[in-house]
Amino acid sequence: KAGVTQTPRYLIKTRGQQVTLSCSPISGHRSVSWYQQTPGQGLQFLFEYFSETQRNKGNFPGRFSGRQFSNSRSEMNVSTLELGDSALYLCASSLGRRGANTEAFFGQGTRLTVV
Amino acid sequence: LAKTTQPISMDSYEGQEVNITCSHNNIATNDYITWYQQFPSQGPRFIIQGYKTKVTNEVASLFIPADRKSSTLSLPRVSLSDTAVYYCLVGDKGGYSSASKIIFGSGTRLSIRP
Repeated sequence: KAGVTQTPRYLIKTRGQQVTLSCSPISGHRSVSWYQQTPGQGLQFLFEYFSETQRNKGNFPGRFSGRQFSNSRSEMNVSTLELGDSALYLCASSLGRRGANTEAFFGQGTRLTVV
Repeated sequence: LAKTTQPISMDSYEGQEVNITCSHNNIATNDYITWYQQFPSQGPRFIIQGYKTKVTNEVASLFIPADRKSSTLSLPRVSLSDTAVYYCLVGDKGGYSSASKIIFGSGTRLSIRP
């Protein structure tokens, strides 16, 4: 069974540009969550999608957005990149059904560097 | 979501048993306790989850006292490859997902020496 796949693994962008990151969840998983990890702030929740709808949102500016497709694949977009957006972006997938096994499986992440 | 407190770092030696304790004084009735392990530049990996008393799987044990205000992750006979950051999380398993709006604390950086 394939794990969570994130692409690309590494990315270098310039300030002011925008970037799109992709996450393919485990087959059958309908919930996809995104996290930002930096040395200073640790792991911070960005948002969660379930059945193409945003179900939860963390405390990030509107420059951070996401979406989920009918096949549960998800993308997150960051517009007008700032140097502080440099981070490891992690995607996690789970079944997403209330009361079900709620174990979350994380991908290896996308390392974004903004210069 | 209940906040958790863990030691910032711990050191141990190969072959030893390591116990990492997490405090969660404000845990709610519906909350479960989950532990994740993270290696550098990788995503966190689920280790174990429990509600009360003791849970054991092939890699770890989780001890939860009756008041559930703390929990202890026990790693038997650690090896160098157990060097990682360990996160204790508390959340409602009745919710949609253990990844749904999880609040990760700062975790415990465990270093294993030969």
